[in-house]
Amino acid sequence: SQQGEEDPQALSIQEGENATMNCSYKTSINNLQWYRQNSGRGLVHLILIRSNEREKHSGRLRVTLDTSKKSSSLLITASRAADTASYFCATGSTGANNLFFGTGTRLTVIP
Amino acid sequence: NAGVTQTPKFQVLKTGQSMTLQCAQDMNHNSMYWYRQDPGMGLRLIYYSASEGTTDKGEVPNGYNVSRLNKREFSLRLESAAPSQTSVYFCASSQYGGGRGSYEQYFGPGTRLTVT
Repeated sequence: SQQGEEDPQALSIQEGENATMNCSYKTSINNLQWYRQNSGRGLVHLILIRSNEREKHSGRLRVTLDTSKKSSSLLITASRAADTASYFCATGSTGANNLFFGTGTRLTVIP
Repeated sequence: NAGVTQTPKFQVLKTGQSMTLQCAQDMNHNSMYWYRQDPGMGLRLIYYSASEGTTDKGEVPNGYNVSRLNKREFSLRLESAAPSQTSVYFCASSQYGGGRGSYEQYFGPGTRLTVT
């Protein structure tokens, strides 16, 4: 399967702390994306990093990509209760027709 | 803009019944997708449409059919529902897909389907 795997499966932190979640994948990619899903809702795109990029920032989000290790990490700084959600990585390849999603990390931010 | 809309939001079917899930997007996107989401399984692609007039199977197409009615609309049909099709179904769209590199996808709110 080309599906990515997130680690950890679940993470619980205090408000104000940083949250780091990781994604590993198996095939060559041309981009990797992170999505957030609030309970009972659809997924929302957060950030896209291309295979020739190593780091990307968007507000309190920082994404890194290491293509040699086939891994990516998502860092959320100064977490808020509203960040409580599931986070998914998804990989895209030039030869593929769609994205492949991982199984997600469930983040709980305790106020 | 409404983005991606799906109907219905909830549905209960009996085994053997049929139904069609509707999806529409107003972002002039070329590609559209149907996923199912099951606990612990992440999202799995059922069918996708890289552009108007084309459809292709994804990872789990058995028991489903799709129709790309026009550029805006992409429907998913269950001809004879089975309990194994109990799931949450998401429709998504993107500017491009289909081998031209993968772009960010925009998701609808989902349809929660229960088959008894």
